[in-house]
Amino acid sequence: AQSVAQPEDQVNVAEGNPLTVKCTYSVSGNPYLFWYVQYPNRGLQFLLKYITGDNLVKGSYGFEAEFNKSQTSFHLKKPSALVSDSALYFCAVKRGNTDKLIFGTGTRLQVFP
Amino acid sequence: DGGITQSPKYLFRKEGQNVTLSCEQNLNHDAMYWYRQDPGQGLRLIYYSQIVNDFQKGDIAEGYSVSREKKESFPLTVTSAQKNPTAFYLCASSIDLPRDTGELFFGEGSRLTVL
Repeated sequence: AQSVAQPEDQVNVAEGNPLTVKCTYSVSGNPYLFWYVQYPNRGLQFLLKYITGDNLVKGSYGFEAEFNKSQTSFHLKKPSALVSDSALYFCAVKRGNTDKLIFGTGTRLQVFP
Repeated sequence: DGGITQSPKYLFRKEGQNVTLSCEQNLNHDAMYWYRQDPGQGLRLIYYSQIVNDFQKGDIAEGYSVSREKKESFPLTVTSAQKNPTAFYLCASSIDLPRDTGELFFGEGSRLTVL
């Protein structure tokens, strides 16, 4: 069965510092990997995805993620955090384009001024 | 502007009452989904539909019902059989196969509180 894990419930970082939000996955075959962001009492917004190709994927708002097949990871990164990046971040995975999306439990990112 | 509209944003109901949450999209997407969000549990799939007049159960369908009479609309009814209905409900859509790469477009959500 496919699954995705976000090992940290919360990540705290100072504004201007780099941030990393971790995600690992378990899926047979080639994974489709996604990051979404959710602001309080709002729906989820798509940030970026990895389907194939370059392991480093760039997305919205300066975020990027690196696909690491050997470590089955897809960590979200940003070189310099902003207070406005504070939100709930979800990693998601599906097996090819025939399965439904499976979401992780979310990681709350808190960026302090 | 294209998007997904959910209503109402907040809803309070007494225990034992059925409630219906509205979801409308003007993105011309084939597939629509309902998710439930609870703190610390991520998103769990309730129902999904890939075509009009057809829908499938997700992981937590018990106590819920849906209909898909029009491509644009996918209402969710939370019935009195749902034991713990208080939650944040999210509707989403996607282009669907064979062009679908998985990106979901979400509405703003409906928060249901059962008193």
